[in-house]
Amino acid sequence: GNSVTQMEGPVTLSEEAFLTINCTYTATGYPSLFWYVQYPGEGLQLLLKATKADDKGSNKGFEATYRKETTSFHLEKGSVQVSDSAVYFCALSGSRAAGNKLTFGGGTRVLVKP
Amino acid sequence: DAGVTQSPTHLIKTRGQQVTLRCSPKSGHDTVSWYQQALGQGPQFIFQYYEEEERQRGNFPDRFSGHQFPNYSSELNVNALLLGDSALYLCASSVGTVDGYTFGSGTRLTVV
Repeated sequence: GNSVTQMEGPVTLSEEAFLTINCTYTATGYPSLFWYVQYPGEGLQLLLKATKADDKGSNKGFEATYRKETTSFHLEKGSVQVSDSAVYFCALSGSRAAGNKLTFGGGTRVLVKP
Repeated sequence: DAGVTQSPTHLIKTRGQQVTLRCSPKSGHDTVSWYQQALGQGPQFIFQYYEEEERQRGNFPDRFSGHQFPNYSSELNVNALLLGDSALYLCASSVGTVDGYTFGSGTRLTVV
């Protein structure tokens, strides 16, 4: 079945540091890939997505590239802010026949200190 | 334009009781999916409703059931609650099964 593995946290950074969160996946076919962010006490917000190999998703300074050859979708941001402190989830979407249900990784907590 | 609305936001139940959680999808969305997020873990897919029918189901026991109404809103029912059912329950809506889910803020269920 489908699965997503992402680096465990917490990841603690200083403001303006570079952030990388690793994500690898196992899936049949050609899934879409997502990064979601969850702020304390809230639901999930879509951060970015990529639907095919070599696509780059980007939003709010975050980027991730769909690498089919390495089955990876690592999240990066060049200069983090305190407001980026949250839990980040990598996810993939199964086939349309399977209802496009999302399979999530375990989440990576990021704490940015001023 | 309201997004996905879930109610209640929090509730506490006793082992063995039954609970019903509610979800109103984003305007224009006709598909509702439910996820369970245990503390410190990623969300797990429970099931998905489209056209008032359960279309897909994850690896959850029959104690978990649901319903979708003609106005696309949905309910999640859990019978014979166990301590392990304590979690954040998230509802996500979409247009059909096209990529692009909008999540609600969730219902925090605590079973004591």
